[in-house]
Amino acid sequence: EVQLQESGPGLVKPSQSLSLTCSVTGYSITSNYWGWIRKFPGNKMEWMGYISYSGSTSYNPSLKSRISITRDTSKNQFFLQLNSVTTEDTATYYCARYLMGKASRHFDYWGQGVMVTVSS
Amino acid sequence: DVVLTQTPPTLSATIGQSVSISCRSSQSLLHSNGNTYLHWLLQRPGQSPQLLIYLVSRLESGVPNRFSGSGSGTDFTLKISGVEAEDLGVYYCVQGTHAPLTFGSGTKLEIK
Repeated sequence: EVQLQESGPGLVKPSQSLSLTCSVTGYSITSNYWGWIRKFPGNKMEWMGYISYSGSTSYNPSLKSRISITRDTSKNQFFLQLNSVTTEDTATYYCARYLMGKASRHFDYWGQGVMVTVSS
Repeated sequence: DVVLTQTPPTLSATIGQSVSISCRSSQSLLHSNGNTYLHWLLQRPGQSPQLLIYLVSRLESGVPNRFSGSGSGTDFTLKISGVEAEDLGVYYCVQGTHAPLTFGSGTKLEIK
């Protein structure tokens, strides 16, 4: 079974960088696409970006200047870095598998999420 | 960006009641390839989101058939035929037709 697990600091200071890791078991990240989504306090959800099986990336234009998604295929992990964070980046961050194909284009497996607070 | 508007924002139902959630898109979600990439998720309290329905009406494996989806173009509906206690949580529609992928505002289902 595909399983994803996020990890990283729960508290980040304003202007610093947020760095999270998604560890995947049961499936290789060299297949399909792998993304990051965040849920803000309240119900708003935002797609942040994804990395493909080949390592190419696509980002939400709203974040494009601050975001980077990379991977380590030897560890079957992919990573999120978000630079110059503000309190508005306080959210629960999820990693998920994204099925990209004519009969898909949706997230099917999700991690449990990690809550990140931006505060001094 | 495509805006998905969900109504109602909150829904209160008794066990066994049938309910519907609407998702209206600011643009048609019909892709040039003929598919409509509109999906539904459920986030139960304390859990991560779970895929319920994809491509408007296709039930994800393991999801009870009391859930059904319908619609086309810009108007879509999720129906629960006979709410059960485990159905409480927040429901989201999400579209993958137009970049960037966007989510609806969410509908919270409460059990009376």
